[in-house]
Amino acid sequence: SQTIHQWPATLVQPVGSPLSLECTVEGTSNPNLYWYRQAAGRGLQLLFYSVGIGQISSEVPQNLSASRPQDRQFILSSKKLLLSDSGFYLCACRGPGPSGGYTFGSGTRLTVV
Amino acid sequence: TQLLEQSPQFLSIQEGENLTVYCNSSSVFSSLQWYRQEPGEGPVLLVTVVTGGEVKKLKRLTFQFGDARKDSSLHITAAQPGDTGLYLCAALLGGGADGLTFGKGTHLIIQP
Repeated sequence: SQTIHQWPATLVQPVGSPLSLECTVEGTSNPNLYWYRQAAGRGLQLLFYSVGIGQISSEVPQNLSASRPQDRQFILSSKKLLLSDSGFYLCACRGPGPSGGYTFGSGTRLTVV
Repeated sequence: TQLLEQSPQFLSIQEGENLTVYCNSSSVFSSLQWYRQEPGEGPVLLVTVVTGGEVKKLKRLTFQFGDARKDSSLHITAAQPGDTGLYLCAALLGGGADGLTFGKGTHLIIQP
């Protein structure tokens, strides 16, 4: 079964500072990987997804970017954080098959101050 | 416009009671998933329903997919404090790599 590792668990960053959140996957190869953000009252919002190394699709234009330098590594970045970037960031991996369930990491709580 | 509407948004009941939460849409889905999320953790998959009218049971939880594959319900029998959490429904809009679309969830509290 797949396991998602995310770090750090919590992060407090000042406005204008850079961001790098890392996600790694165990137990599968060539996974589809996803970054979601969960904000209070807004539910989970899909930010980026990747079907392979170097392949990134962006769902929402914003202050963030993603990269996939290795098969089982997915990175979420920002050059300059905004207050509105605060939220709970979740990395996920999709299971096999057309109805494959998603496995989520334990998330990173980002507070921009 | 929210593609998946979940109701109620909040529900607080006593241990031992039964409850039903709903996930509705005007769109037809090839499949629908239910997740449960605890504070500070990622969502955990409970079930995937694929066929219209399908009913799946997971211990005291019963999931149903509507005949037209536009809606789903989750029924919990004899709720326990351990059932407390955020229940999310989610669907794939297409068969490709696109990510799941989630409802905003039902916050469920079971009081002992």
